[in-house]
Amino acid sequence: GAVVSQHPSWVICKSGTSVKIECRSLDFQATTMFWYRQFPKQSLMLMATSNEGSKATYEQGVEKDKFLINHASLTLSTLTVTSAHPEDSSFYICSAPPDSPNYGYTFGSGTRLTVV
Amino acid sequence: KQEVTQIPAALSVPEGENLVLNCSFTDSAIYNLQWFRQDPGKGLTSLLLIQSSQREQTSGRLNASLDKSSGRSTLYIAASQPGDSATYLCAVPNSGNTPLVFGKGTRLSVIA
Repeated sequence: GAVVSQHPSWVICKSGTSVKIECRSLDFQATTMFWYRQFPKQSLMLMATSNEGSKATYEQGVEKDKFLINHASLTLSTLTVTSAHPEDSSFYICSAPPDSPNYGYTFGSGTRLTVV
Repeated sequence: KQEVTQIPAALSVPEGENLVLNCSFTDSAIYNLQWFRQDPGKGLTSLLLIQSSQREQTSGRLNASLDKSSGRSTLYIAASQPGDSATYLCAVPNSGNTPLVFGKGTRLSVIA
């Protein structure tokens, strides 16, 4: 089945630095990738949708200059948290939609970001 | 805008009990519905996928039903085990390429 590899699985960074999270589709081409954020004991909230070769679409309230999304190829989408602050500490996870309605959405394993 | 609600928010049961988790959605024009499991601090594990034309799906001790017209789905877990303790999430897309909308989940604890 479709596999999305997400790295890193966890990262600790200092306030003011930037962190890049990568999601790679290993055995299929992902023209679209959804990025979610999950705060402790909360559900997954959609942050943005990336499409290969075009600008990402951000949900209301998500700062596009802070959360840079790039989908430069059909197998790689990245999320860069710029000038990270402690309130950006969260669980970030990517998801690719299926090619066929017979299959479910594929998720990366998630990235636990802690900003200190 | 699609909204997904899960009831109860938390559930604690003794080992061996059968249990039902509920999920409702506001827009019945869904493509399919997916149930996930999430362990603390971990990613999502897909449990069951039900197509909009189906009424139920089974995998081992899990059975998921879908009543699209009433906007409801249930996840039935038979003979619960401590290893079933996790948060269970249901999610729906409105069409094939739109993002999933998640409920807030049901946090299940199975006590040995």
